[in-house]
Amino acid sequence: AIQVTQSPTSLSASLGDRVTLTCRASQDINNKMAWYQQKPGEVPQLLIYYASTLQSGTPSRFSGSGAGTDFSFTISHLQSEDFATYYCLQGYSLWTFGGGTKLELK
Amino acid sequence: QVQLKESGPDLVQPSRTLSLTCTVSGFSLTSYGVSWVRQPPGKGLEWIAAIWSGGSTDYNSALKSRLSISRDTSKSQVLLKMNSLQTEDTAMYFCARDDGYFDFWGQGVMVTVSS
Repeated sequence: AIQVTQSPTSLSASLGDRVTLTCRASQDINNKMAWYQQKPGEVPQLLIYYASTLQSGTPSRFSGSGAGTDFSFTISHLQSEDFATYYCLQGYSLWTFGGGTKLELK
Repeated sequence: QVQLKESGPDLVQPSRTLSLTCTVSGFSLTSYGVSWVRQPPGKGLEWIAAIWSGGSTDYNSALKSRLSISRDTSKSQVLLKMNSLQTEDTAMYFCARDDGYFDFWGQGVMVTVSS
């Protein structure tokens, strides 16, 4: 099974900051990486799929990049509504979620 | 519009079998796959099982021996059964549509395993 290592596990940042999360897959997954946002008590929301394609409705301050085994997810200018937990998901061979990154207000 | 809705018991005794149903609308189970994902309280997401548009199935290798996923296309339902439940199976269980990634999710059903 493909393993996905997400880092960091938590991150403190301020409004207006630029933050980057990363996920590393244990083998080449082409571009089959998606990114989700989850707020407490809510359903995960798809933000980005196929590594860099923004889901309809995702604000342009969110972006994704990468291919092969290394992927990154960036929020360019943090807004108050962005403080949440983020997960990556590989969909190349079955499915594996990263462990999550909790983004907190500094 | 696309909707998924999970249903099932909120409390199950240890060692018993859990049966969950995902009822979908707005798309056909013969055109899209559906997966089950769970999330223990305060923890991360874990993919459990998938049924593909053609009807084939796949399971998380760590849980495979305890799982069965099936569907009833006439009712637009995907069924998940998990046997030999333990307290660590306590979690929110979600179903989600597969379009190469999980684009639509149900609201989830919280299942507690306890005597």
